[in-house]
Amino acid sequence: AQRVTQPEKLLSVFKGAPVELKCNYSYSGSPELFWYVQYSRQRLQLLLRHISRESIKGFTADLNKGETSFHLKKPFAQEEDSAMYYCALREGNKLVFGAGTILRVKS
Amino acid sequence: DGGITQSPKYLFRKEGQNVTLSCEQNLNHDAMYWYRQDPGQGLRLIYYSQIVNDFQKGDIAEGYSVSREKKESFPLTVTSAQKNPTAFYLCASSIVQGEGGELFFGEGSRLTVL
Repeated sequence: AQRVTQPEKLLSVFKGAPVELKCNYSYSGSPELFWYVQYSRQRLQLLLRHISRESIKGFTADLNKGETSFHLKKPFAQEEDSAMYYCALREGNKLVFGAGTILRVKS
Repeated sequence: DGGITQSPKYLFRKEGQNVTLSCEQNLNHDAMYWYRQDPGQGLRLIYYSQIVNDFQKGDIAEGYSVSREKKESFPLTVTSAQKNPTAFYLCASSIVQGEGGELFFGEGSRLTVL
């Protein structure tokens, strides 16, 4: 059973448009969720985590326990946001990742 | 220069051969992980280790083996029993306790079976 679902393989938007990368999870306890990002020719790295309730590079993500979602949002996309984005769920001592979504921001 | 180093970056193997991928970290992290990255499937956990001389199977451990003899090192062996070994392999490390347990990743190793 898939514990982290990212329904979109590819999301293509124009520069300046709002962005929402979807993530749904399945977890019986109190979830701990993350977004990781991989820019072209760079290592996979942490973007943000829900417990910090922070905004990184203009991105935010709110945990919605009722909808079991942790969507990543940005009001105005920039070309440098183009990357692969992974949603991840902590299960005990390990992280379970979704299939990832490629975000392409067009000029 | 602190971080995680994976080697080799590219590796070719004939069917039936075992191959070992190296992962070294100088971050003094207790935990280390191996993930496999396939298009459309994201990252899937192969093995992980929380402490020296101990490791646990992840979701897709069949056909793989690991060892953790030193805190800094967590090599992965892809055995001939792995049915579909061609993939991109990522190693990561983290502190076991502390805020969030962020994973730090290596640059990856691409294995191609000919």
